[in-house]
Amino acid sequence: AQTVTQSQPEMSVQEAETVTLSCTYDTSESDYYLFWYKQPPSRQMILVIRQEAYKQQNATENRFSVNFQKAAKSFSLKISDSQLGDAAMYFCAYRSTDGGATNKLIFGTGTLLAVQP
Amino acid sequence: NAGVTQTPKFQVLKTGQSMTLQCAQDMNHEYMSWYRQDPGMGLRLIHYSVGAGITDQGEVPNGYNVSRSTTEDFPLRLLSAAPSQTSVYFCASTLLGTGSPLHFGNGTRLTVT
Repeated sequence: AQTVTQSQPEMSVQEAETVTLSCTYDTSESDYYLFWYKQPPSRQMILVIRQEAYKQQNATENRFSVNFQKAAKSFSLKISDSQLGDAAMYFCAYRSTDGGATNKLIFGTGTLLAVQP
Repeated sequence: NAGVTQTPKFQVLKTGQSMTLQCAQDMNHEYMSWYRQDPGMGLRLIHYSVGAGITDQGEVPNGYNVSRSTTEDFPLRLLSAAPSQTSVYFCASTLLGTGSPLHFGNGTRLTVT
């Protein structure tokens, strides 16, 4: 069974600085999807970024980018020029490509990011 | 486009009471699912469905029932609430087999006393 591990329960960053959130996963599959979701205090789950395992190029969305290392099974999220609105819980998630039968996401336990003014 | 709509936003139950959490989506997504979120445990899958009339168990199904009579709706039923079911519940949906991300509702905070 696949597992997702986020080893940093809490992180803190100064406004305008860069922070990297770690995520590792375990799988025997060769093709899959990886996601980062943001959950602000409003409780809403917001997709931050998505990576397809067969694509070697790291995904980027504005100030958010990932460092995807398939061999190491690592999927870290880098937030550049951190803003106060980035303060939230961040979840890493894995999804299989097993023909789409389940589409279930397997989540890590989350990293709570604080942004200091 | 409303996306995924969950009701209610908050609910307090007494042990042994029953209730239904409602979930509806208007994106014609085949796949719908229910997760529960507990501190330090991330989100865990309760039940899911890949289409009308088809449901299956996830990681933590005990104490919950689901049905899928239409593509749009996927209610979650607690038949006899227990304090261990105190949690935040999320409904999520997506298209099958496309790699599309899950779209989440805004969650329901349930407290069982």
